[in-house]
Amino acid sequence: DAKTTQPTSMDCAEGRAANLPCNHSTISGNEYVYWYRQIHSQGPQYIIHGLKNNETNEMASLIITEDRKSSTLILPHATLRDTAVYYCIVRVPLPTQGGSEKLVFGKGTKLTVNP
Amino acid sequence: DSGVTQTPKHLITATGQRVTLRCSPRSGDLSVYWYQQSLDQGLQFLIQYYNGEERAKGNILERFSAQQFPDLHSELNLSSLELGDSALYFCASSVGPKTDTQYFGPGTRLTVL
Repeated sequence: DAKTTQPTSMDCAEGRAANLPCNHSTISGNEYVYWYRQIHSQGPQYIIHGLKNNETNEMASLIITEDRKSSTLILPHATLRDTAVYYCIVRVPLPTQGGSEKLVFGKGTKLTVNP
Repeated sequence: DSGVTQTPKHLITATGQRVTLRCSPRSGDLSVYWYQQSLDQGLQFLIQYYNGEERAKGNILERFSAQQFPDLHSELNLSSLELGDSALYFCASSVGPKTDTQYFGPGTRLTVL
């Protein structure tokens, strides 16, 4: 029941920017978009999140379209250590549980950074 | 290092057995989440506790149970284990009750033989 769609895989050259797209056309007005990544079998790592405005932190930039139906995660200078599965996530309500929500991790995008 | 710790790292057991996985959240975090990741199912949310109380329930089997203790560490109990329960089990923590930004532990790899 993931509410996002992402390409299955992408490749990027080391040192270049990696641009990972995500569609979330059913997102509601107050829902944040979250990005996590998982390197091999390690625990997922939080990257960034945003609501409407573009966001930047030390790891990445997040560009959200004006209609909020899609977003792009940008790794400005990809390194080999950025090879991972990247998950674009929105919260999914649990309507029978008093307003609780959960994060639904879809299949994500397998990003391979090549030397 | 996320600040979330999980023990043990690896666990090998037999079908029908019971195991307990332990998680300590980041300092200051009141919510603990449990996830299961198997090869064919991806990362599945199991259950969330907030400040000792169950907050949200996902795809958790009746054979599985969890609790969060007064010191905020959490345990996930898996009983009557089946081969299909072999998976990575991750714990995550966050400050508040409403999902927020979650920080994941390194996981426990469970193998059921």
